[in-house]
Amino acid sequence: KNEVEQSPQNLTAQEGEFITINCSYSVGISALHWLQQHPGGGIVSLFMLSSGKKKHGRLIATINIQEKHSSLHITASHPRDSAVYICAAPKGDSGAGSYQLTFGKGTKLSVIP
Amino acid sequence: EAGVAQSPRYKIIEKRQSVAFWCNPISGHATLYWYQQILGQGPKLLIQFQNNGVVDDSQLPKDRFSAERLKGVDSTLKIQPAKLEDSAVYLCASSPWGNSYGEQYFGPGTRLTVT
Repeated sequence: KNEVEQSPQNLTAQEGEFITINCSYSVGISALHWLQQHPGGGIVSLFMLSSGKKKHGRLIATINIQEKHSSLHITASHPRDSAVYICAAPKGDSGAGSYQLTFGKGTKLSVIP
Repeated sequence: EAGVAQSPRYKIIEKRQSVAFWCNPISGHATLYWYQQILGQGPKLLIQFQNNGVVDDSQLPKDRFSAERLKGVDSTLKIQPAKLEDSAVYLCASSPWGNSYGEQYFGPGTRLTVT
């Protein structure tokens, strides 16, 4: 079993639909990252969550630390949201001051006009 | 603030040739990571540097891959000789010392195709 599991692996939505991507993890400290990767490779950080919920524009991320589960929601989806969304759990040594991320395989989202 | 820089952006080589990638992290960031991302997979850590020392290189195929970080700033990753299965995106990321919860800043990546 992978340490970070995402679902679904692929998602196609019509423009305007509400989208949910789920992430379950079994490793790491009590936090989770959501990342976005567009074709071409570069990765951008969307959210870092250690509790509750965060919102940025049409993107909402929630986390349940006890259940080690997080969701990323996109409201009123748009074709420009088409990308791969990756969740990642941090683990490391706060004393050494550095961490590593364990990544899920990503969810490829395609939003059709 | 300038982001993480990587070059080249794309590279096509034949198997058994060698290739090198370069990364310039965000100024002042102590930790530098190299990842390999195969199509359809999440990034896999190859090597982690803290300043100019290696923290973790347990997943680096040392018979063909090497990496260095001179003076704790820029880094190069080399593959010699390349195999077909090395075709992937190579990502560099950096983070400041002591950042909480592991936030990393990624470069644009180098897409390597081995034919």
